[in-house]
Amino acid sequence: DTAVSQTPKYLVTQMGNDKSIKCEQNLGHDTMYWYKQDSKKFLKIMFSYNNKELIINETVPNRFSPKSPDKAHLNLHINSLELGDSAVYFCASKGTANYGYTFGSGTRLTVV
Amino acid sequence: AQSVTQLDSHVSVSEGTPVLLRCNYSSSYSPSLFWYVQHPNKGLQLLLKYTSAATLVKGINGFEAEFKKSETSFHLTKPSAHMSDAAEYFCVVSDRPGNQFYFGTGTSLTVIP
Repeated sequence: DTAVSQTPKYLVTQMGNDKSIKCEQNLGHDTMYWYKQDSKKFLKIMFSYNNKELIINETVPNRFSPKSPDKAHLNLHINSLELGDSAVYFCASKGTANYGYTFGSGTRLTVV
Repeated sequence: AQSVTQLDSHVSVSEGTPVLLRCNYSSSYSPSLFWYVQHPNKGLQLLLKYTSAATLVKGINGFEAEFKKSETSFHLTKPSAHMSDAAEYFCVVSDRPGNQFYFGTGTSLTVIP
């Protein structure tokens, strides 16, 4: 009965590869997010979708492309992976009331 | 504009002593404020939230925070630290429902036995 689930939990891949991270929420929330947490623990928003529509698109390389097939899913596809993409990526969701995010457990991406 | 400043990047306390993690915010509107905790190699968990109700907010695991508008602060406290409290703590501000949340840079809490 996990509320926000991300897969995979760990991802090790070589430079230049293309990879995807999947996120699903079963809370009925309308808004979903992708955050990147670097090695210094800074959390930076990347994208936000509301009911399948992109509403926040921060300055992120266009190698990163979010896809939301329905409001319960927000996947992140990354092309041509670079060493600097190594980080922990968190998916989150939020309902219409301002009661905070519910986070997934994170995907640790290591590019070698 | 909204922002949040966590005044200490690292805090060390002895087990059984009080914990104080400081957070100041700026917001153009009446803010909603949150504290999240992240244990090592884990996701972020909501500790407590302030959304314009009582200014003293109680959260999980014995933590509480007080919203002080005059000081634009939302400091997190706990009377007695436990070893399991060792984690990274994030203060978060949102200025109105539906808007983006802004994260502080985090405070790493170490609890010394």
